[in-house]
Amino acid sequence: DAGVIQSPRHEVTEMGQEVTLRCKPISGHNSLFWYRQTMMRGLELLIYFNNNVPIDDSGMPEDRFSAKMPNASFSTLKIQPSEPRDSAVYFCASSLVEVQPQHFGDGTRLSIL
Amino acid sequence: KNQVEQSPQSLIILEGKNCTLQCNYTVSPFSNLRWYKQDTGRGPVSLTIMTFSENTKSNGRYTATLDADTKQSSLHITASQLSDSASYICVVSEGTYKYIFGTGTRLKVLA
Repeated sequence: DAGVIQSPRHEVTEMGQEVTLRCKPISGHNSLFWYRQTMMRGLELLIYFNNNVPIDDSGMPEDRFSAKMPNASFSTLKIQPSEPRDSAVYFCASSLVEVQPQHFGDGTRLSIL
Repeated sequence: KNQVEQSPQSLIILEGKNCTLQCNYTVSPFSNLRWYKQDTGRGPVSLTIMTFSENTKSNGRYTATLDADTKQSSLHITASQLSDSASYICVVSEGTYKYIFGTGTRLKVLA
């Protein structure tokens, strides 16, 4: 039973570059969440999709961040242009319905130099 | 403002000992409270989930309690093992997809 799969696991890039993070949710789950985790702020919701439709993107920091879910088995989070303050661990999570326990991927550790 | 506060921030105990982690919240409306375990370099994994009417929920050596009146929860770990070393995160749901996360308690179990 494959869990939530994220790629890449680690990403190091220079300021100003475009960064794309990828997520494959658990098959059959219709809710998908992107989170950012930092030491100071813990886990913060960036965007929530239900049935591939973005429901709430109020947590997206600014226009440099965008997310898509073209189908039920794939989602991307893009940062363009990236800045050093975007350095964090980004998690994708999915659940069968929005109130069920979320299953998290192992995250992408992003470092912007 | 909806908040979840956890204490202590970090804790060191000897293998075999018990410990209790605390979570206080000011989230309204309240739907449910979850405890997650997060190993270093991994994503959080759900341990327990409790609704308003539940006072206690167990998952092996992990027992969570909830007092909805005082808005407090605790996670008790019995007979700790080295593999219990992790961060434990308390999460409160407003009733929809919105979850308020605590910043976690980092537990270190020593041999």
